[in-house]
Amino acid sequence: GENVEQHPSTLSVQEGDSAVIKCTYSDSASNYFPWYKQELGKRPQLIIDIRSNVGEKKDQRIAVTLNKTAKHFSLHITETQPEDSAVYFCAGQDNQGGKLIFGQGTELSVKP
Amino acid sequence: DAGVIQSPRHEVTEMGQEVTLRCKPISGHDYLFWYRQTMMRGLELLIYFNNNVPIDDSGMPEDRFSAKMPNASFSTLKIQPSEPRDSAVYFCASSWAGGFTDTQYFGPGTRLTVL
Repeated sequence: GENVEQHPSTLSVQEGDSAVIKCTYSDSASNYFPWYKQELGKRPQLIIDIRSNVGEKKDQRIAVTLNKTAKHFSLHITETQPEDSAVYFCAGQDNQGGKLIFGQGTELSVKP
Repeated sequence: DAGVIQSPRHEVTEMGQEVTLRCKPISGHDYLFWYRQTMMRGLELLIYFNNNVPIDDSGMPEDRFSAKMPNASFSTLKIQPSEPRDSAVYFCASSWAGGFTDTQYFGPGTRLTVL
């Protein structure tokens, strides 16, 4: 089955800087990789996703890149703002069952 | 739409008691998921339903856990008897026909504390 590892576990940046969170996965058949943002005490919410037929996807200040050969994908946040502070989870799809396997999360802190 | 609705939002119970968590998915969604979130284990899928039918319950930790979906607008997750290690935030989520490759909309969660 799929195994997803995420790093770093914590990340602190200054407002306006960029933040990068990386995930690796084990199942080469995985083809769907979403990213969820969870603010403190709130529910996870999808912020962006990428499928294996695409190498990069952007949505305003966030982007995700996928390297299927190396089996890793990354979340990039540019021009970070204090409201970007949250825990970010990556996930890969387990093709044995189709379910999402989540990484352990990255706590991002953006300092004003 | 009000989004996914869960109740109760907080539950504190004594070890050995029965706990029932409730979920109302977004109308029209075909899939319903139950997740558990803890610091140690992160976000884990417990069980999911497609059109009210349980598809995969391999994530249910023990026989003490059971889930039902009697109709398209209601699901329950029951723990009987509860144990302190069951303390966690339980999320219900739903999605359209794409299932896991569609956006999963999470409810606000139920924070369960078992004393």
